[in-house]
Amino acid sequence: GQSLEQPSEVTAVEGAIVQINCTYQTSGFYGLSWYQQHDGGAPTFLSYNGLDGLEETGRFSSFLSRSDSYGYLLLQELQMKDSASYFCAVTDRNDYKLSFGAGTTVTVRA
Amino acid sequence: DSGVTQTPKHLITATGQRVTLRCSPRSGDLSVYWYQQSLDQGLQFLIQYYNGEERAKGNILERFSAQQFPDLHSELNLSSLELGDSALYFCASSVEGGINTGELFFGEGSRLTVL
Repeated sequence: GQSLEQPSEVTAVEGAIVQINCTYQTSGFYGLSWYQQHDGGAPTFLSYNGLDGLEETGRFSSFLSRSDSYGYLLLQELQMKDSASYFCAVTDRNDYKLSFGAGTTVTVRA
Repeated sequence: DSGVTQTPKHLITATGQRVTLRCSPRSGDLSVYWYQQSLDQGLQFLIQYYNGEERAKGNILERFSAQQFPDLHSELNLSSLELGDSALYFCASSVEGGINTGELFFGEGSRLTVL
């Protein structure tokens, strides 16, 4: 099976930088994804890392270290609209599942 | 708008009843995934279909079943409902198995309340 760990909550002020860490365990790791979900809404895809390194998409960046079974999502220049839950998810090559972590609630304060 | 359509958006029913949730994937997507999200919880993978065939199964209860039809829409059937089944049920789709980019397109969900 798969297990993922990420912090439950993070609070920061507008304009700040937040890093959400994710550690995972899975027998057939293929890639790490990140999703954003506003309260009760549909999760939306943010980024994917299949190889080690940093992927940058606007204010958001995601990093992966396969050897450490670790990744993070970096949110820069925080805005109020970034207040949401953020989930890491691993793709397993053995069973094609996309398994999600419990999510990190990010609260942005003025 | 992700292009994934789920109906109904809200459903209230009683314990012991049976409900069917419906999902139409994005045009061209062959894979459909079902996830359950209980209050303030993560997304629990239930089951995946690819082009009509079951491809992966999560911790789906025996009271739950699903299928994907030839037109690629999918239905999730929940029977003998219990209070603990109250949750948001999301459907997601991808072109293939989602294994290449990890990108799934989620519908707005069906909120089930069991009283």
